[in-house]
Amino acid sequence: NAGVTQTPKFRILKIGQSMTLQCTQDMNHNYMYWYRQDPGMGLKLIYYSVGAGITDKGEVPNGYNVSRSTTEDFPLRLELAAPSQTSVYFCASSTSRNPAQETQYFGPGTRLLVL
Amino acid sequence: AQSVTQLGSHVSVSEGALVLLRCNYSSSVPPYLFWYVQYPNQGLQLLLKYTTGATLVKGINGFEAEFKKSETSFHLTKPSAHMSDAAEYFCAVRGRGGGFKTIFGAGTRLFVKA
Repeated sequence: NAGVTQTPKFRILKIGQSMTLQCTQDMNHNYMYWYRQDPGMGLKLIYYSVGAGITDKGEVPNGYNVSRSTTEDFPLRLELAAPSQTSVYFCASSTSRNPAQETQYFGPGTRLLVL
Repeated sequence: AQSVTQLGSHVSVSEGALVLLRCNYSSSVPPYLFWYVQYPNQGLQLLLKYTTGATLVKGINGFEAEFKKSETSFHLTKPSAHMSDAAEYFCAVRGRGGGFKTIFGAGTRLFVKA
């Protein structure tokens, strides 16, 4: 199993540009998550999904959109990039919403710089 | 509202010395508690978690943590540090209400000196 994979690893965007961060998992997990990690800060939840076709906002959803057309893929879309979106983005997946049962598996991250 | 505080953004120990990384939480009800490790250019990896039952939790790579309700703490320890333990460590909490929100601490970077 490759686990959770993310592309690209690094990207520089100009203000106002758009891009999609890709996330794929091959573990058949229903639950998937997008987090951002700012320097010196812990991770913050952007969006999550409980299964194909079902997504919901997390703690910091503004400026982002997601879709979940398949179990495997959970892309994150930035429509109008802003400097405040400079961050490292992590995708994660898990088998259950119950922390007593679940382990979240994280991808290696996408480093995004908006100039 | 829940919160997590990790005391010390950087901790430096000598190889073979005790590792102690501190985490305190704020929650009206004892939450689920986690420790994650992040190696350079990698995603987070779960070290251990407390859900219920025994308050001393053992994790991977020789780490353990003790849930102390009276102190609202969940400190991470390892008796003897290895060079390979150098990484960033995150404490996290999630409420028991069934939601998806996990609150992460700001992280503690562990340096191990030879």
